[in-house]
Amino acid sequence: KAGVTQTPRYLIKTRGQQVTLSCSPISGHRSVSWYQQTPGQGLQFLFEYFSETQRNKGNFPGRFSGRQFSNSRSEMNVSTLELGDSALYLCASSLRQAGNEKLFFGSGTQLSVL
Amino acid sequence: DAKTTQPNSMESNEEEPVHLPCNHSTISGTDYIHWYRQLPSQGPEYVIHGLTSNVNNRMASLAIAEDRKSSTLILHRATLRDAAVYYCILSGSGGGADGLTFGKGTHLIIQP
Repeated sequence: KAGVTQTPRYLIKTRGQQVTLSCSPISGHRSVSWYQQTPGQGLQFLFEYFSETQRNKGNFPGRFSGRQFSNSRSEMNVSTLELGDSALYLCASSLRQAGNEKLFFGSGTQLSVL
Repeated sequence: DAKTTQPNSMESNEEEPVHLPCNHSTISGTDYIHWYRQLPSQGPEYVIHGLTSNVNNRMASLAIAEDRKSSTLILHRATLRDAAVYYCILSGSGGGADGLTFGKGTHLIIQP
C-alpha cells in the first residue's frame, strides 16, 4: 500500500507570491490534516479535511487555505507569502476523523520564501 | 486543550532500555495518549497509543500512571535508528485533528 505522498518535495518562492501544495492520502483514508513545522514553533496544526469538508482549523491567518477533493486528495494554498512562511509543511491521513485515529504522515514539502 | 510536558532532550546508550517521560496533568477522562517519533528529514511516525491500561507493540511499551497524569514510553533495547524526536500528545475521542497538538518533543540521542 502506498504511503502518503506530498508534492513537490522542495519549493522556493519569493515574498508576495502564492503557493499550492498537494497531498495524496493512503488509499481508503478519508481524513487529511495539514501541519506546519518550524524550528522555533515545532509542529503546528493548520486544518483538517474529512469528506471534502473542513472539520477543524488551527490558529493561522486566512492566507492559509485548503480543500479536499472527492478522491480525498487535498491541496493547501498560501497566498501573499511572507518570509515567516518558510517551513516544512506536512500532511497526514487517517481512516476517519483524526481525533484518536492513527495518523500517517508524508515526508513533507520544504518551502523556502526569499 | 490539555497540554503535555516533556524533557527537551535525553541521552542513552545503544542496547540499553530508554524511558521517555511525559506529564499531562490536565488530561481529561476521554483523552487518549499518543506517541509519535520523527526521524531526521522525515514526517512523524506513529509509535503507540493508549487510554488507561499499559500497551505493548513491536516498537515500544506505554506505561500509563494510575491517575493518568503522566505516562512513559519505553524502548526496551535502543538502537541507533531510534535516535529521533519523540512527541507525546493527547487527543479527544470526539474526533478532530486539533486534539493532536504536537509540542517540541524530546530529542533522543543514542550513543554507540
